[in-house]
This record gives sequence, structure tokens and C-alpha cells, in this order.
Amino acid sequence: NAGVTQTPKFQVLKTGQSMTLQCAQDMNHEYMSWYRQDPGMGLRLIHYSVGAGITDQGEVPNGYNVSRSTTEDFPLRLLSAAPSQTSVYFCASKTGNLNSPLHFGNGTRLTVT
Amino acid sequence: GQQLNQSPQSMFIQEGEDVSMNCTSSSIFNTWLWYKQDPGEGPVLLIALYKAGELTSNGRLTAQFGITRKDSFLNISASIPSDVGIYFCAGRIPGADGLTFGKGTHLIIQP
Repeated sequence: NAGVTQTPKFQVLKTGQSMTLQCAQDMNHEYMSWYRQDPGMGLRLIHYSVGAGITDQGEVPNGYNVSRSTTEDFPLRLLSAAPSQTSVYFCASKTGNLNSPLHFGNGTRLTVT
Repeated sequence: GQQLNQSPQSMFIQEGEDVSMNCTSSSIFNTWLWYKQDPGEGPVLLIALYKAGELTSNGRLTAQFGITRKDSFLNISASIPSDVGIYFCAGRIPGADGLTFGKGTHLIIQP
């Protein structure tokens, strides 16, 4: 199993541009989520999904959209990038069991100029 | 949202020393997890705790789920250079799908 795969690893955007961060998992996990990691802030939940066709907002959802058309994929869209969205983004997945631990991808480092 | 207070923020230790870090919350958690993050990578699960009072070891690592369900600690014995990284605690409150993360403890080992 490849686990959780994120692409791209690095991205530079200009303010106002849009882009999609890709996340795919091959573990048949029902639950998928996106976090952003900023210095001194830890990991903050952006959006999550408990299954295909179901998404919900996390702690910091503004400026981001998600969709979950398949179990495997959970893309994160930035509609109009802002410098405040410069961050490292992590996708994570787990089984539907509430107590199961999250498995993380290796992150996408995004810079918005 | 829920907050986890993780301390210390950073630790500068000598190789071979023991390490202790902890997380506390004002809310009860059903699950406590400890992750380690190496530079340029995602967090990797070290230990998962599911019951109040549970004490679990993974090699040189030991973690405990506090009996009040509001805290957890992670100990590392006889630290080695590859222990360097950021350690995160994470917890799940009853009824929640997602995890709440602490802000991390940076472990730096001086030669």
C-alpha cells in the first residue's frame, strides 16, 4: 500500500490564483481530512469527510472547498489564494472506527506571494 | 474549539538523557494519540491510548492516558539522535470525528 499520497509536494501561487491540492489513499479508509500546519500553531483541521459524498467544515474552513466523489480521493481547492494561506497542508485518513488513528501524507508546502 | 496545552514547546537535551512531555485539556478526551514528525514529512503515529489510566510502551517510548481523561504524557528513555523531531499529542473528544492537536514539542539533541 502506498498509504496517503499528496501532490504536489511544493507549490508557489500568486495572490488570487486558484489551485487544487490532491490527496489519495489506497487503504479503503472512510474518513479523510485536511490540516494546515503553521509555525507555533500546530495542526488545524480545515475540512473533513466521513465517507463519499459527505463533507464537513473543521476549525479553519474559510477560503477552502472540498469534495469527496470517491472513497479514495479528497481534493482541497483554493478558489482565490491569499498570502494567509501560505502553509504546509497535510491530508490524513483513517477507518470509520472513531478510535482509529489518523495516517498522514507527507504534505504540500504552499507559498502564496 | 477545543484546545490542548502541550509542554514544553521545545527541549534541548544531551544524547542519552530521558525526555518527558505532556498535554493537558480542560475537556475530557476518549482517545489520546502521540505522533512524531520528521522534517519534510507528515506526522507518524507513535502510541495510541484508549482507556483512562492506560500505560503503553513502544520500545523506548512510554505514554499514559491520565485517569482524569484530561491529560497524557510521553516519556522517551535514553534519547538517541534519531529522536530529534516534533512530537504532537492529539485527542478525540466524545462524539467528535476529528482530532484536536497540541502545538508540538520540538526535541533537539545536542552532541
